[in-house]
Amino acid sequence: KNEVEQSPQNLTAQEGEFITINCSYSVGISALHWLQQHPGGGIVSLFMLSSGKKKHGRLIATINIQEKHSSLHITASHPRDSAVYICAARRTSGSRLTFGEGTQLTVNP
Amino acid sequence: GAVVSQHPSRVICKSGTSVKIECRSLDFQATTMFWYRQFPKQSLMLMATSNEGSKATYEQGVEKDKFLINHASLTLSTLTVTSAHPEDSSFYICSARGAGAGYEQYFGPGTRLTVT
Repeated sequence: KNEVEQSPQNLTAQEGEFITINCSYSVGISALHWLQQHPGGGIVSLFMLSSGKKKHGRLIATINIQEKHSSLHITASHPRDSAVYICAARRTSGSRLTFGEGTQLTVNP
Repeated sequence: GAVVSQHPSRVICKSGTSVKIECRSLDFQATTMFWYRQFPKQSLMLMATSNEGSKATYEQGVEKDKFLINHASLTLSTLTVTSAHPEDSSFYICSARGAGAGYEQYFGPGTRLTVT
């Protein structure tokens, strides 16, 4: 079992739909990152969370420390949101990140 | 937000040559930089962690004589792939973090290396 697991692995949505990507982890963490990787490969840091909820534009990230679970929500999805979304947990001990397998999101017009 | 740049974005080199990839933190001082490698359809794999002014700490299985990492300043780290081989072809990504536990880790856009 991976220390960081994401679901779903693949997600296809219609433009305008509300999207949720989930991330569960099994280790103690000091922070959790949500990253976006476009087909060209470049990675964009979306959020870093240690508690609660953060919002940026149409993106919302939440984390529940007790349940060891985080979600990334996209409201009013758009084809340009199509990308791989990766959650990455930073353990309380050490500085390295443990990455989830990623969720491939495709938003169709 | 903070920005991390990488140069070049793409590079093609011949077997046996060396290639250098630069990673810069543009608006913050990066006390720690991370170098990752990503194969197609796979997640990022940490190669090494470097702290400014110190030798890099390499992950198990990563050859430190082949992947030379220099972190000589708080805004620049370089990865040099020496005696490149076609199996070194990959996507290399750097990431940088400032001092303190609360500092976010920011990722560079990556460098696509192709060794012919």
